[in-house]
Formats: sequence, C-alpha cells, structure tokens
Amino acid sequence: DAMVIQNPRYQVTQFGKPVTLSCSQTLNHNVMYWYQQKSSQAPKLLFHYYDKDFNNEADTPDNFQSRRPNTSFCFLDIRSPGLGDAAMYLCATSAQGAYTGELFFGEGSRLTVL
Amino acid sequence: DAKTTQPPSMDCAEGRAANLPCNHSTISGNEYVYWYRQIHSQGPQYIIHGLKNNETNEMASLIITEDRKSSTLILPHATLRDTAVYYCIGTSYGKLTFGQGTILTVHP
Repeated sequence: DAMVIQNPRYQVTQFGKPVTLSCSQTLNHNVMYWYQQKSSQAPKLLFHYYDKDFNNEADTPDNFQSRRPNTSFCFLDIRSPGLGDAAMYLCATSAQGAYTGELFFGEGSRLTVL
Repeated sequence: DAKTTQPPSMDCAEGRAANLPCNHSTISGNEYVYWYRQIHSQGPQYIIHGLKNNETNEMASLIITEDRKSSTLILPHATLRDTAVYYCIGTSYGKLTFGQGTILTVHP
C-alpha cells in the first residue's frame, strides 16, 4: 500500500496560472519535504516542515510556497508557473522524533507548463 | 553535506553482483552514508545507510572503508529491475543533497 501519495500524478497548467500539488502520508511522520527534479537532473530540495515549522532553502524562489494544515497533508503552491518550473515534484517524509536520512518518497507529480 | 563522487554509468550482467563505488573524502565524523536509487519516472527509494561498519539488508550490502573516504554498494544478484540511477549521499541529518548518481544498466 502506498504510504506517501501525491496528487495529481500529472498536471498541465498555463504560463502564470497558479497550481497546487498535494501530498498525503499514512506514516505519521513529522517531517515532510518537497523536492524539485528537472529532466535528467538530480532532485533538489525546495523546503521542508518539521512538524509545523517551515524551513525554506535559501535558493528556493518566492514563487514556491507550501502549506501543512495537519500531520498527514502537505501542499506545494506555485503562484505563477514559468516554463522553467516544468519538472517532477517529489514529496517525502521521514521518521518521527528526529531528523533521519531515511526518507520515504511519493511517486511524484509531473508538472507541464504551456 | 559531504561532497560525493560517483561514476556516471556502469553496466552489469543479470545475475552477477553489481558493485557501485562512491568517494566521499570530505565526509565528517558524524555524517552517515546513504544510498538511494531511482527507477525511471518513480520517486527515489531508500536502500541502505551506514556510519562506520559494513551493513547488509534484504536489498544490498554497504562496505565502508576504514578511513570512511569511500564506500561500495553491492547488489549481490542484479536483476533487470535493478536498472536505475543510484545515489550516494553523505549527511548528518535529514536534508538529502542528491548528486548526479550512477546510472546502472543491468543487461540480460
């Protein structure tokens, strides 16, 4: 059974039209991450939540925002998608209680910007 | 995070052991070595991690040199489904910084 579920798997949006990607988890993990993976590149961390504490990476554009209304759900909002934001967006979680490098990833949401 | 260096690609015959090397000469004393793999169009999958000692689980074995400057991931009997990008990451906490990894191709 999938433990980290991302929706939608595929999203097509128009240049500048806001988009929201969702992630839910059944693991009760308190850390949730969002990664961006462009074609033929390695995943790049955008931000993460430790419980309700939001931690942004220094080079993450302001165009990317996130919300975590409860332990199970986390959302990635892209306010004005540009062509350069076309990518796979990966959600991941890690175990409760402490940071650990053992992350559980979802299958990803592939964003196309027209 | 420690900087890691991996060969860009490797081949392996099905049924043989696949040995994937990783150099992490700048790794600090409290940084673990993690291995992940990513099959095409899927999310990365955790394989194994270690600090100093060699580790083994149902997926793979991890051999870390005594000076901790390099490690080798061993898939003992590679199958076609093991074809993937393999990432070696050094970190002391949960923020994984992925390098370019090694593309492992397992052929019949």
